[in-house]
Parts: sequence; C-alpha cells; structure tokens
Amino acid sequence: DAKTTQPPSMDCAEGRAANLPCNHSTISGNEYVYWYRQIHSQGPQYIIHGLKNNETNEMASLIITEDRKSSTLILPHATLRDTAVYYCIVFAGGTSYGKLTFGQGTILTVHP
Amino acid sequence: DTEVTQTPKHLVMGMTNKKSLKCEQHMGHRAMYWYKQKAKKPPELMFVYSYEKLSINESVPSRFSPECPNSSLLNLHLHALQPEDSALYLCASSQEAGTNTEAFFGQGTRLTVV
Repeated sequence: DAKTTQPPSMDCAEGRAANLPCNHSTISGNEYVYWYRQIHSQGPQYIIHGLKNNETNEMASLIITEDRKSSTLILPHATLRDTAVYYCIVFAGGTSYGKLTFGQGTILTVHP
Repeated sequence: DTEVTQTPKHLVMGMTNKKSLKCEQHMGHRAMYWYKQKAKKPPELMFVYSYEKLSINESVPSRFSPECPNSSLLNLHLHALQPEDSALYLCASSQEAGTNTEAFFGQGTRLTVV
C-alpha cells in the first residue's frame, strides 16, 4: 500500500472549517483514500473514503486532487468534539486483503 | 446495530496468567481484525480473519492466540505476556476483507500486564 504523509498537528477555531491535508504521491490506480479519526481512548471511527471523485457525507468532505497524489479532509464547521487524531490511509482492498495500515496521523485540536 | 462490542474494557493480568479478550459484532461482517495500540502510537494490525479463517498474522508472538469460533465472535487468548504487551487492544470488523468498505472498531480493551 502507498504511504501517506500528514502534518503532526493542526489547530482550528470552533465553528470554522478544518482542512486536513494528506500526501500520497505513490498511490496506485486501484487504491482508495480513507479517513478515520480516533478520539482520545476510543476506537477509530470511519469518516469517509474516495477513489478519485470528491465525496461528501454528513460528517465531512473529501477533496482528491486530479493526479490523486494528495487529498484534503474538510470538516465544515468544527466543534470541540472534533478534537481527535485524524488518520489518512491508502487502501487497495483486494491486493492488501484487509491490511488497513495506520500512519502517524494528524492531531487536530479545536479551540473555543 | 453497527456496534463492535469488546469485553472486558479493562484487564490487569500477571505474567503467568491466562486471559481472553472477546469481540462480538452482529452486522453480518465476514472479516474481523485485532489491532494493538501503544500510547501515543497508531494502531498496529495483528491478525485478520476472513470467513472465520485466519488470513493474516503480522508476525505476532505465539503468546497471543486468536480464535474465531463463529462469524460473530473473535477472541484473543493471552498467555505468559510481558509488561511491554500492555496496550489498548482493538477489534474491528468489515463486510469482507479485501473490499473497499469501512471497518467498524470497538472501544478496545485496555490491558495492563504486571
């Protein structure tokens, strides 16, 4: 699976959009970009995933560049409860046969 | 029901003890996973079960022994652990291993080996 690079930490003001970047320059054509987050002492929580088109759900939006070498997770109106570690994962499914591998992630701190 | 339930939530065990961690899901998922997470580190994959068969073992020491008695249950048997095995143990499930669907994680068992 392709490796990902994320900034170790980011801050965001409550009510503002949080934009979390991820670089995955070695991504293959069949690899999806997944985002999970982990709130302190809880299990990771799935947020969103995509292949090449932008995706949106009730939690967030995922913007993938045209060359697919990077992506941005957008939390449109961050709240204090969004403070967590956010993991960007590149996952090919069939070829990895379930090996969802976490990188170091970004610690997002939302301030009042 | 989109929950993965892990028991116990906390466990303290001695190095000579035998204990088991339990994981249960009722989403009809056919893939189940064990992860280990040390403090301030990302989760690390230990085992993957697909259709109740072990498909991936990430070179985990034999003192950790997984078991999948049926499609809803996943156990992790622990024996002769070391203090450095103290960690948060996470269970996850997904529809099938190797497909592009989301994985659901339990809240974990926080294990302390004394």
